[in-house]
Amino acid sequence: AQRVTQPEKLLSVFKGAPVELKCNYSYSGSPELFWYVQYSRQRLQLLLRHISRESIKGFTADLNKGETSFHLKKPFAQEEDSAMYYCALSGGSNTGKLIFGQGTTLQVKP
Amino acid sequence: NAGVMQNPRHLVRRRGQEARLRCSPMKGHSHVYWYRQLPEEGLKFMVYLQKENIIDESGMPKERFSAEFPKEGPSILRIQQVVRGDSAAYFCASSGRTGGSYEQYFGPGTRLTVT
Repeated sequence: AQRVTQPEKLLSVFKGAPVELKCNYSYSGSPELFWYVQYSRQRLQLLLRHISRESIKGFTADLNKGETSFHLKKPFAQEEDSAMYYCALSGGSNTGKLIFGQGTTLQVKP
Repeated sequence: NAGVMQNPRHLVRRRGQEARLRCSPMKGHSHVYWYRQLPEEGLKFMVYLQKENIIDESGMPKERFSAEFPKEGPSILRIQQVVRGDSAAYFCASSGRTGGSYEQYFGPGTRLTVT
């Protein structure tokens, strides 16, 4: 079954500390993985996707097929990073439907 | 470009009534997705539509729920005879092309409360 798991509901760190938001997935084929972010009072928006191999706002995520993980990392957290983060999987190019994890709230304290 | 629009933003219905949720995709987008978010859960895919066609409705409950995306006008998610368990946030997303590689742009959501 296709599934995305984000084991932490809440991650609280101090400003300047490293951040790692965990995401594990279950999928039998070759998935496409994404991280979406929702800042307070804003709509859900794409942060990054694994095929782009890019760094957005200092965040990176590497797809590890052996561990079926796609953890989101940032070396130095900023207060403006506080938001809800969702890991999502697309199971193929036919429809593009996304399977979301439960989400992790990142709280960066001053 | 105003982005994906959803209305109403908040909708209160009594048990047994009908709920109609509207989604206007971004200009130029012809692919619409509906997702539901129950309290304390992530977003769950419901249905994927193109103009005048339902492409994938694998996430739609078998009864009471229907969706359409007519040639003209917004996409509509319709819930008949609502029950308390339908209370949730319903999000619409649109895309310019189909496929997992293409970004989906999300609307602000409609929060449905069934009393």
